[in-house]
Order: sequence, then C-alpha cells, then structure tokens
Amino acid sequence: EDKVVQSPLSLVVHEGDTVTLNCSYEVTNFRSLLWYKQEKKAPTFLFMLTSSGIEKKSGRLSSILDKKELFSILNITATQTGDSAIYLCAVRNIRGGTSYGKLTFGQGTILTVHP
Amino acid sequence: SQTIHQWPATLVQPVGSPLSLECTVEGTSNPNLYWYRQAAGRGLQLLFYSVGIGQISSEVPQNLSASRPQDRQFILSSKKLLLSDSGFYLCAGDRASYEQYFGPGTRLTVT
Repeated sequence: EDKVVQSPLSLVVHEGDTVTLNCSYEVTNFRSLLWYKQEKKAPTFLFMLTSSGIEKKSGRLSSILDKKELFSILNITATQTGDSAIYLCAVRNIRGGTSYGKLTFGQGTILTVHP
Repeated sequence: SQTIHQWPATLVQPVGSPLSLECTVEGTSNPNLYWYRQAAGRGLQLLFYSVGIGQISSEVPQNLSASRPQDRQFILSSKKLLLSDSGFYLCAGDRASYEQYFGPGTRLTVT
C-alpha cells in the first residue's frame, strides 16, 4: 500500500523564523511529488518535483526531492503570518498505459506563524 | 489552466437524507476527475476517480457513489447519509501527470 508521512504534524514559530517541513514516502511506480498549501478552503499548488537534487524555488519557499532516500523537504525562510496554513505533500504513481496517476496525500503539517 | 467549480459551499443535512454534490470543470477537456474527503483539516482521502464519461473507480468502500454523466461533470451522491459522512469534500481534476487543481470544497455536516 502506498504511504506518505509528513513531519512534524504541527509547528508553531515566530515571524522571521525559517522552517523545514518533511515528507517521506513509499510508493510503487513513483512519478512525482507535489506540495500544496491549504488555508481555509481548497489546497493551492506550490511545487511538483520529479528529479532528485534539483531545487524548486518560489520566493521564500523552496523544495527538493531525494529519490534515493525517498523524501522531500519544503523550506520557508523569513516566515510571515500569511504562511500559516496546512502544508500537504502528495505523491503520484503511474499505472502503466494510462493517463491516470493516483495522488496519495500525507496527513499534512499545520504551520502557525505568530507575529 | 483549468478551473474547478463546486457547489454548494456548505450543506447541513439530516441523517438518512439523500446527497448530491456537483463538480464541473472549465478550461480543459478529457480531464481525470477525483472526489476527496478531508476530516478535521488533515490529509485528503481519495474516494473516487474517473478517467472518462461513465468510468468510475472507487478507492474505499462506503455509503457514497459517484457518476460522470458528461466529460466535465462529476457528481457525488448518497441515498441515505450517515453521521460519519460529515466532512470537507473536494473535487479535483488533472491531465495525465500534471498537477491536480482543486475546487473550493463543500463542507457537509450531517445532523
């Protein structure tokens, strides 16, 4: 059975701190790993990672994948109160010969940033 | 890019009543479509997925069913709701290996 585990489950920091969120996985026929940010409603897409060692960056957020050790990290530098959210990690596999690839989600990390 | 529409945003239903949640997709054709449930603000559990009209696969046994009558329409239903059906329901869509886009969600409370 496919499995995605995120840690920590929750994290409280102050503005300006740097945080690292972890995601480890066990998935057959791995295709990609995705990070999402969820505030009040729908998750919004952050990054999709397919290759090891290549950092994806967007502003203060960055992420990297290690396909040998089966994990990814999401870094947020100089945190702001607007970064408070649930951060979800998901891994996609691919079923041979189809366009469908199931996403398996982790439990999420609840990040709270205090002023 | 595609846009996922979902309604209603919130719903309160008594136990034993029927349910119908609708999801429509804009901006793409032949999407893969998904229904997820999220409990207590945690991870998403995949309930159903569909790769085409009339093609539905269920991931977990439950009191719910899904249908895809048109290419860009995905419906989640129940004949008789249970208390345990309460949760936040999200519809999502994607094409092949690209990122999934999510609708705004429906918060269902069964009383």
